[in-house]
Amino acid sequence: RKEVEQDPGPFNVPEGATVAFNCTYSNSASQSFFWYRQDCRKEPKLLMSVYSSGNEDGRFTAQLNRASQYISLLIRDSKLSDSATYLCVVNPRYNFNKFYFGSGTKLNVKP
Amino acid sequence: GAGVSQSPSNKVTEKGKDVELRCDPISGHTALYWYRQSLGQGLEFLIYFQGNSAPDKSGLPSDRFSAERTGGSVSTLTIQRTQQEDSAVYLCASSPGTGLSANTEAFFGQGTRLTVV
Repeated sequence: RKEVEQDPGPFNVPEGATVAFNCTYSNSASQSFFWYRQDCRKEPKLLMSVYSSGNEDGRFTAQLNRASQYISLLIRDSKLSDSATYLCVVNPRYNFNKFYFGSGTKLNVKP
Repeated sequence: GAGVSQSPSNKVTEKGKDVELRCDPISGHTALYWYRQSLGQGLEFLIYFQGNSAPDKSGLPSDRFSAERTGGSVSTLTIQRTQQEDSAVYLCASSPGTGLSANTEAFFGQGTRLTVV
């Protein structure tokens, strides 16, 4: 079983829509969680960390559900510029700083 | 420099030749990672260096792949006798030190696009 699993999508949504992605992780002892964004033919860049209490950054909200072992990313009021692949990343407690990446969820925001 | 630097940015090589890819991590970062990304695919973990500890090589796909990290800084990924299936973008990342409370992120270089013809 993969450490991190994501729906590859693509998610095709109109501008202004709200869209949510989930990501599941296999190791219950995982410690740190992140969402990265990767634009086409570019390197991944940190979008936001995911904290236990949930956190929000503008139009983006990340949540962690430890009981069900998933994290989510909610994007409100989608912009064309949000089109990218969103990577779920987990840092397990048993192997500090070895990041496990999901395969990514592709988002296409249409005019 | 301010970020992770990788060279070359692009490399075209003939099947059977050896290639070396270089990564300069962010100064002071003790953790360094190599990932591989094939077209349209996710990131495949290759190898992880943490300080002076033995590297985690569990992701290297074959014994044609090896990596070194000299002086805890620069790293070189070497692919011997390249095959066409080695064609991919090779991404290097670094992050600050470990810690039980660390919630550190990984910073990526722009990658080396390797094409084996």
